[in-house]
Amino acid sequence: NAGVTQTPKFQVLKTGQSMTLQCAQDMNHEYMSWYRQDPGMGLRLIHYSVGAGITDQGEVPNGYNVSRSTTEDFPLRLLSAAPSQTSVYFCASSYRLASYNEQFFGPGTRLTVL
Amino acid sequence: GQQVMQIPQYQHVQEGEDFTTYCNSSTTLSNIQWYKQRPGGHPVFLIQLVKSGEVKKQKRLTFQFGEAKKNSSLHITATQTTDVGTYFCAGKVSGQNFVFGPGTRLSVLP
Repeated sequence: NAGVTQTPKFQVLKTGQSMTLQCAQDMNHEYMSWYRQDPGMGLRLIHYSVGAGITDQGEVPNGYNVSRSTTEDFPLRLLSAAPSQTSVYFCASSYRLASYNEQFFGPGTRLTVL
Repeated sequence: GQQVMQIPQYQHVQEGEDFTTYCNSSTTLSNIQWYKQRPGGHPVFLIQLVKSGEVKKQKRLTFQFGEAKKNSSLHITATQTTDVGTYFCAGKVSGQNFVFGPGTRLSVLP
């Protein structure tokens, strides 16, 4: 099993550009989520999905869109990049949203917006 | 909304010294998880605590869940250079998503 994979590993954007961060998992997990990590602020939830076709907003959803057309894939779209979106983005998955499931994290995407 | 705090933010220790990080939630939790993130890496699950007053051990690591299920701690005995990283707690209220604390960054001087 590859676990959770993310592409790209690094990305530099100009303000106003759009892009999609890819995330895939091969563990047949129902629950997938996107976090951003900024210094001193831990991991903040952007969007999450409890299954194919179902998505919902997390703590910091503004400026991001997601979709979940398959169980395996959960892409994150930046609509119009802003410098405030410079961050490290982690995708994670777990069997279900239920309390007793650990989250498996991908290797992360380091995004810089100029 | 639910808030999770951790102290200290940073901790520098000499190799062989002990280390403790504390996690506090503004609300009563159904369970709490701990993760470790090595420099440049991604968070990796360490353990989950569910019961009030629960204590779990993993080699030199001891995890505790408070009686009121609003706080938790991670204690490392005799730190090693391999313990370097940031330790996060993540608290969960039933039916809601996990909320991560800001983390404690541990550095170990050889």
